[in-house]
Amino acid sequence: GENVEQHPSTLSVQEGDSAVIKCTYSDSASNYFPWYKQELGKRPQLIIDIRSNVGEKKDQRIAVTLNKTAKHFSLHITETQPEDSAVYFCAASKSGGSNYKLTFGKGTLLTVNP
Amino acid sequence: DGGITQSPKYLFRKEGQNVTLSCEQNLNHDAMYWYRQDPGQGLRLIYYSQIVNDFQKGDIAEGYSVSREKKESFPLTVTSAQKNPTAFYLCASNQGYNEQFFGPGTRLTVL
Repeated sequence: GENVEQHPSTLSVQEGDSAVIKCTYSDSASNYFPWYKQELGKRPQLIIDIRSNVGEKKDQRIAVTLNKTAKHFSLHITETQPEDSAVYFCAASKSGGSNYKLTFGKGTLLTVNP
Repeated sequence: DGGITQSPKYLFRKEGQNVTLSCEQNLNHDAMYWYRQDPGQGLRLIYYSQIVNDFQKGDIAEGYSVSREKKESFPLTVTSAQKNPTAFYLCASNQGYNEQFFGPGTRLTVL
């Protein structure tokens, strides 16, 4: 089955700096890669996703890049703010039949210091 | 906020007891999922269901059971066979090849 590795497990940055979180996946058939943000005690919420037919996607201060050849994808947050502090999860899945289950990385705890 | 509800928010279980966690959605989604979250372990899939009256085991199904009698509901039973059930349990749903929406979670503690 699919295996998703996520690094780093913790990341601390100063407000205004950029943050980068990286994930690798094992199944070359995976074609959907979402990123979720989970604040303490809350539910995970989708912040951005990318499908394998594109290499990059941006939404304001957040961007995701995908390298299908190397089987890795990354989350980039620019101009970080204290409210960006949370746990971020990457995930991967593949379409096919009726199976759309996600495999998650273990998460990155991002701390943005004011 | 949501469209997916979980109850209760907190649940305490004595050893040897079965407990059932509720998950309901009004998003008309076909697929529903149960995840377990432990510190440093991410989200691990317990069971999922793509359609009513059908479900499949995920990566850590041992000691758990589910049913899917209605499209809106996907209850999870944590049985006495689950040796380490203390965790945060999250239910999710989606439609096809799209975003999974999560419920607020149930925190289960074994006394």
